[in-house]
Amino acid sequence: EIVLTQSPGTLSLSPGERATLSCRASQSVSRSYFAWYQQKPGQAPRLLIYAASSRATGIPDRFSGSGSGTDFSLTISRLEPEDFAVYYCQEYGRSLGTFGQGTKVEIK
Amino acid sequence: EVQLVQSGAEVKKPGESLKISCKGSGYSFTSYWIGWVRQMPGKGLEWMGIIYPGDSDTRYSPSFQGQVTISADKSISTAYLQWSSLKASDSAMYYCARRDSSSLAEYWGQGTLVTVSA
Repeated sequence: EIVLTQSPGTLSLSPGERATLSCRASQSVSRSYFAWYQQKPGQAPRLLIYAASSRATGIPDRFSGSGSGTDFSLTISRLEPEDFAVYYCQEYGRSLGTFGQGTKVEIK
Repeated sequence: EVQLVQSGAEVKKPGESLKISCKGSGYSFTSYWIGWVRQMPGKGLEWMGIIYPGDSDTRYSPSFQGQVTISADKSISTAYLQWSSLKASDSAMYYCARRDSSSLAEYWGQGTLVTVSA
């Protein structure tokens, strides 16, 4: 079973700053089956990025994904107030798929 | 517009049974896998299992095999998650999600909060 480890656990930043979130897999993952989700309190997860770097419908271009093999990242170029949330990475190519434990992006 | 609408919050006692639902609309319900995801309070997301409503092919995560039952009624475009005997540790938010042909979960239900307390 693939284990996804996200870092940092919490990221404290100010609006307008750049956020870089990391996700490391315990074994190599296909870029074609790697996604990022955003979850705000009381809401369902929202798909941001799929296939490692493709933005989902309606996702602003300040969100970008990159990476391959065992190391993937999500970058938010300039944080907007609505971006403060929890972000999860996910591998979805094997079995049911696996989520990382999440990174909380909070207002500094 | 693709929509997944889940049944409302439930408060149950340990040992009781429960069945929650997820109704799909805006797409061919029988052509996409539906999955169930558990989120315990303050915790992350876990896939519980998936079902293909077209033929009711069902797969469970090893952690949830034997603990829950996933089913679907394609005549009413609805998937279900059920427990025969709830435990306090089943208290969580449960989401359904539609998985596309690559297993990507793009569309999610709004969640059903299950509280199990004596």
